[in-house]
Amino acid sequence: EPEVTQTPSHQVTQMGQEVILRCVPISNHLYFYWYRQILGQKVEFLVSFYNNEISEKSEIFDDQFSVERPDGSNFTLKIRSTKLEDSAMYFCASSLGLAGVYVLYEQYFGPGTRLTVT
Amino acid sequence: SQELEQSPQSLIVQEGKNLTINCTSSKTLYGLYWYKQKYGEGLIFLMMLQKGGEEKSHEKITAKLDEKKQQSSLHITASQPSHAGIYLCGADSPNSGYALNFGKGTSLLVTP
Repeated sequence: EPEVTQTPSHQVTQMGQEVILRCVPISNHLYFYWYRQILGQKVEFLVSFYNNEISEKSEIFDDQFSVERPDGSNFTLKIRSTKLEDSAMYFCASSLGLAGVYVLYEQYFGPGTRLTVT
Repeated sequence: SQELEQSPQSLIVQEGKNLTINCTSSKTLYGLYWYKQKYGEGLIFLMMLQKGGEEKSHEKITAKLDEKKQQSSLHITASQPSHAGIYLCGADSPNSGYALNFGKGTSLLVTP
């Protein structure tokens, strides 16, 4: 069964360093997402991506964050200068289509990358 | 912004018992999604509901959407240890570009 994969599973970095989190969405999916979950808190939306551009982003997704689809399979999240408060589990998700008022599409999540900023 | 309140926050049930988890939205529900998360792992899609009154079942899990109450319930029949985990409800809306907004989750433990 197709699944979303993420690498690395755990990343430790020093404050101020750049990190790139990688995801391989399900191959025929068109919409890609990043979410994060700070320990003990709820899963929060960061950004959605379609047709090589950002569709929607939350207030969390500031100038320190960027996303890219560098080739036909990978989808990356870059954090330019990490802060302690960026420590969280980052989830990539993908969906076949975009939900609308009359149609739903489930988002499939990867296993996550645990980012620890020291 | 839309808030999703899940209740209870945590639940311990004996194997074989039935249980219900509720998810109440502060705003109109368009799509309601249920996911299960094992501790420290990713989210596993369970079910999605759209229309008011819609009910779906998968194995021993049934989810229902009450559009008027802006609420969804997840019912597990004859719980098993494999049902243990964190159950998350998520909702999308046109105001958020259909990104998912999640509740805080309900932690379920099933004891032998």
